[in-house]
Amino acid sequence: GQGVEQPDNLMSVEGTFARVNCTYSTSGFNGLSWYQQREGHAPVFLSYVVLDGLKDSGHFSTFLSRSNGYSYLLLTELQIKDSASYLCAVRDDTNAYKVIFGKGTHLHVLP
Amino acid sequence: EAAVTQSPRNKVTVTGGNVTLSCRQTNSHNYMYWYRQDTGHGLRLIHYSYGAGNLQIGDVPDGYKATRTTQEDFFLLLELASPSQTSLYFCASSGTGGVYFGPGTRLTVL
Repeated sequence: GQGVEQPDNLMSVEGTFARVNCTYSTSGFNGLSWYQQREGHAPVFLSYVVLDGLKDSGHFSTFLSRSNGYSYLLLTELQIKDSASYLCAVRDDTNAYKVIFGKGTHLHVLP
Repeated sequence: EAAVTQSPRNKVTVTGGNVTLSCRQTNSHNYMYWYRQDTGHGLRLIHYSYGAGNLQIGDVPDGYKATRTTQEDFFLLLELASPSQTSLYFCASSGTGGVYFGPGTRLTVL
């Protein structure tokens, strides 16, 4: 069916890396974005991609494969404060540019 | 700095009550959105708009009306509030890239 899917939880260790996966199936595609959300706060925009490949933004990098309906957010040199939920969202250009969010992946960074 | 503001930040009403949530953006964005967020469901789109006077139906519109009066202002109306509408409501705006969120309104319907 149509939608954006993410695993519920992910654990990783401080100083290493974490890859947060996102798969999507939508009628149209006009970009994919990633957000960080802490408990009780609003999501904060991290990255936006519309072309295939890896976009390196330092601590956060984003990969997109449109043919596979797949993206990931890569966090490197993890810190405890990176523990948060990470949300993936797709803009559907066949539906008045509706933005559809996944439920988010809760990343736990262990010491 | 670009911003999305919401009011009120917290609201308690009773079943059958009338509630209006307000949102203003200074991002000069065309698109504005209303989402609700509940544990286990993530962010669900209620209504959205791509300009003053325009309204698009989202995924969970039942029990909600919305109105975009200007490019900056987007309102969400609950005319007969029900306990199932107890939630955290986010307003957001976007141009051609990412979506920028307001701080949220926590609504409780008793």
